[in-house]
Formats: sequence, structure tokens, C-alpha cells
Amino acid sequence: DAKTTQPPSMDCAEGRAANLPCNHSTISGNEYVYWYRQIHSQGPQYIIHGLKNNETNEMASLIITEDRKSSTLILPHATLRDTAVYYCIVRVARSSGSARQLTFGSGTQLTVLP
Amino acid sequence: NAGVTQTPKFRILKIGQSMTLQCTQDMNHNYMYWYRQDPGMGLKLIYYSVGAGITDKGEVPNGYNVSRSTTEDFPLRLELAAPSQTSVYFCASSFGTAPNEQFFGPGTRLTVL
Repeated sequence: DAKTTQPPSMDCAEGRAANLPCNHSTISGNEYVYWYRQIHSQGPQYIIHGLKNNETNEMASLIITEDRKSSTLILPHATLRDTAVYYCIVRVARSSGSARQLTFGSGTQLTVLP
Repeated sequence: NAGVTQTPKFRILKIGQSMTLQCTQDMNHNYMYWYRQDPGMGLKLIYYSVGAGITDKGEVPNGYNVSRSTTEDFPLRLELAAPSQTSVYFCASSFGTAPNEQFFGPGTRLTVL
């Protein structure tokens, strides 16, 4: 799986858009970009994924640069409940053995401020 | 859909005791996983299963056993609890086909004293 780099922490005002960056300069052509988050003491929650094109769902938007070396997760109207650690993970969709596990790095601690 | 459910939410064990952590999913996912998360650390894969009757070891399988008799259930067994097994345990499931996103349960917080 390609290595990812994320800022350790970010703040965002409630109601504003939260833009979380992720660098993945060694990404391969068959690797997807996944975003998960983990609210304190809860199980990780899948947010969104993408391969090449920008993606949007009910939770967030994912913007992937044309060269696929970086991406941005956008929470359009952040609420206090969005305070969590956000993980950017790059991996092939299917893999064998222990490579099936998701490798969560340090992530970005997003704090939404009232 | 309830998604992935885990029981119990909390448990305290004495050294040498045994217990089974239950995991059930109602999304008809083929793949299921058990992870553990130690305080301040990332998740580590214990065991996984690609379908009923098929299981395989992950990164940290020692001290644990699993079985997968049905698509829905994937219990994790601790035979002789040790303090090193104090952790939060998460079960997850996925379809197994691309893009293979994983859906997690709420976790079981286990303390071994």
C-alpha cells in the first residue's frame, strides 16, 4: 500500500467547510483512495473512496488531483459531531493474506469549534 | 439494517479465563475481520474470513481463535486471557469485491486483570 501523509491536526468552525488534505505521491494505478474516520472510542467509519474521478456522497466529497498524488476530503458543513480522527488510506481494492487489513496511519485530528 | 453488531460492549476478565466476543453482520458480506486497537495505536488485524468455513491469520493471531459457520457470524475466542490482550476489539465486514470498503462494529472493550 502506498504511504500517505496527513497533517496531524486541524480546526474548523462549525458550519464551515472542512478541507482535509492527503499526500500519496507513490500511489499506483490500481490503488484506491479511501477515507475513514474514528470518533473517540467508536469503531472506524467508512466515509468515501475514489480511484481517479472526484466523488461525492451524503457525507463528503473527495477531490483527487489529476496526477493522483494527492487528494482532499471535504466536509461541506462541519458540525460538532464531525470531530474525529480522519484517516486517508491508499490500497488496492483486493489483496491477499495480511495485506487485506486496513493500515491506519496517524491521521488528522479534526476539531470542529462552536 | 443493523450493520455490524458486537457483544459485549465491555468485559473484565481474570488472567487465564476464557471468553468469546460475538460479531454479527446483516449486510450479506462475504469478508469479515477482527482487529484490535491498543490505546493511542492503530488497528491490527487478528483474523479474517473470506466466507463461511474459511478463515486465515492476520498480523497478530496468537492467543485467539475464530470460526465462521455462517455468513452472518464471526466469533472471536480467547482461551487463556493474558494482560497483553487488554484492548478494544473491532469486528468489520466487506463484500470483498472492489472497492472493498470495510464497515466496522462499535467495538468490545476488554480488560484482563
